[in-house]
Amino acid sequence: GAVVSQHPSRVICKSGTSVKIECRSLDFQATTMFWYRQFPKQSLMLMATSNEGSKATYEQGVEKDKFLINHASLTLSTLTVTSAHPEDSSFYICSARDVRGYEQYFGPGTRLTVT
Amino acid sequence: AQSVTQLDSHVSVSEGTPVLLRCNYSSSYSPSLFWYVQHPNKGLQLLLKYTSAATLVKGINGFEAEFKKSETSFHLTKPSAHMSDAAEYFCVVSEDSNYQLIWGAGTKLIIKP
Repeated sequence: GAVVSQHPSRVICKSGTSVKIECRSLDFQATTMFWYRQFPKQSLMLMATSNEGSKATYEQGVEKDKFLINHASLTLSTLTVTSAHPEDSSFYICSARDVRGYEQYFGPGTRLTVT
Repeated sequence: AQSVTQLDSHVSVSEGTPVLLRCNYSSSYSPSLFWYVQHPNKGLQLLLKYTSAATLVKGINGFEAEFKKSETSFHLTKPSAHMSDAAEYFCVVSEDSNYQLIWGAGTKLIIKP
C-alpha cells in the first residue's frame, strides 16, 4: 500500500530557532502534498497545498513566511517552521496524493514542542 | 460550499455492543466521503471511502458506512465494539472538482470493559 513517512516524529526546539519537517512518499509518486496542523483534541486544519515544482498555496491565515514549504521532487516535501515560538507547538501532519487518483495518504505526524 | 458535521464529540459504548458514529455533510457536487481513525500517538488510517459506487461501504476492522443522499448522511457503524476500537474518528468529505478534504471535528470513541 501507499506509505508516507515523516521525519522527525518528535522535535523539541528553543524559541527563535527553525525546524524542518520532512514528508516522503515511499512507494508512489505524489504531485501534490498537503500540510495540516492539529491542535489537541481538535480536527485537522489544512495549512497549505504543495505541488511539485511550484509554489505552495497557503490557506487563509497561514503565514507563508513563517511556514516555508518546499516540494522539490515527486516524493519529498518539507515544512520549515521559522523563528518558532511556543504557540507554534502542535502536531503537524502531511499527506500525499497519488498522481493517479484523488485519495490522500497520511504521514504519522510530527509533534513539535517549542520551549 | 462543503461542510461536515459530526454530531457527537464523544461516544461511549460497552465492549461487544454496536457502535454508531454519526456524520452529516453538505456538498454542492457529487461528493466522496471518507472515515479516518486516529489512535493515540499514531497516524491517520483510512477506514473506508465512498466514491459513488455502492452506497453501503465496508471498511477495515469490521466497520461499515452507508451513504444516504436523501439524508445527507454517512454514519459509521460496527456490530460489536472491541477495546482496540477506542480512538478518534473523523468524517471527511471531498468534492471531486478540487480534491480538497474537509474534515469533521472528530468523535472520540470510548469503549467500556
